[in-house]
Amino acid sequence: DGGITQSPKYLFRKEGQNVTLSCEQNLNHDAMYWYRQDPGQGLRLIYYSQIVNDFQKGDIAEGYSVSREKKESFPLTVTSAQKNPTAFYLCASSLTGALGEDSPLHFGNGTRLTVT
Amino acid sequence: GQSLEQPSEVTAVEGAIVQINCTYQTSGFYGLSWYQQHDGGAPTFLSYNALDGLEETGRFSSFLSRSDSYGYLLLQELQMKDSASYFCAGSGNTGKLIFGQGTTLQVKP
Repeated sequence: DGGITQSPKYLFRKEGQNVTLSCEQNLNHDAMYWYRQDPGQGLRLIYYSQIVNDFQKGDIAEGYSVSREKKESFPLTVTSAQKNPTAFYLCASSLTGALGEDSPLHFGNGTRLTVT
Repeated sequence: GQSLEQPSEVTAVEGAIVQINCTYQTSGFYGLSWYQQHDGGAPTFLSYNALDGLEETGRFSSFLSRSDSYGYLLLQELQMKDSASYFCAGSGNTGKLIFGQGTTLQVKP
C-alpha cells in the first residue's frame, strides 16, 4: 500500500541538540510539506518542496532546515536555534503543488518531539 | 498575508446537523479545503471547493462563497465517530496550503 511514513513516532532530545525527523513517501508525489502542530492549534507550514532539489520556506522556517535530494524523501532537521521545538510534526505530500481537488494533501502519522 | 478563521469548538448531539464556518483572507485565492483530524492522528482530506456553491459527499457537504470569502462544512446525521477536529485550509498562488486553527466537534449521545 502506498503512503507516507514518518519515523520515529516519539522522539526525545536534550536542549541544544539537532534532531532530524524522517519522512518517506511511495505515492510518487511531486510535492512534500512539513507542518508543525501545537496543542489545540492549527497546522503551521515550516517548509515545502514542489520538486526535487528545490524547497521554499513556509511561515515558521526559522530554526529548521530541510533537503529534497530524492523524490521520496523530505527530512526535517530541528536545530538548536529553534526556540520552542517541542511539538507534533506532520509531513505531507501531494500529487502536484496545485493543491486542488485532484491533489489534496496526504499526511503521515506524525512525530511527537519532546525537547527538555 | 493569509489567514483563516473558524470557531474553536462546536457541540452537537448524535443524529443532528452541524455547520462549521470558515472565513478567509488569502492572496490569489484558488480554493478552500476541509480536513478532519482525530485526536493525535493524521489529518485526512474531506472536500475541496474552487467554485461557489455546495459540494456534497455523503453525509458531508462543503460550501463556498468567493464574494464573501466564506465557506462552511456541513455534517449531517452526526455519529459519535464524527467527534474530531475539522480544519479549513486555503490554497492560493503561492503553492502553500494554509490552515485555520481548527474546530473541535464534540458529538454527544
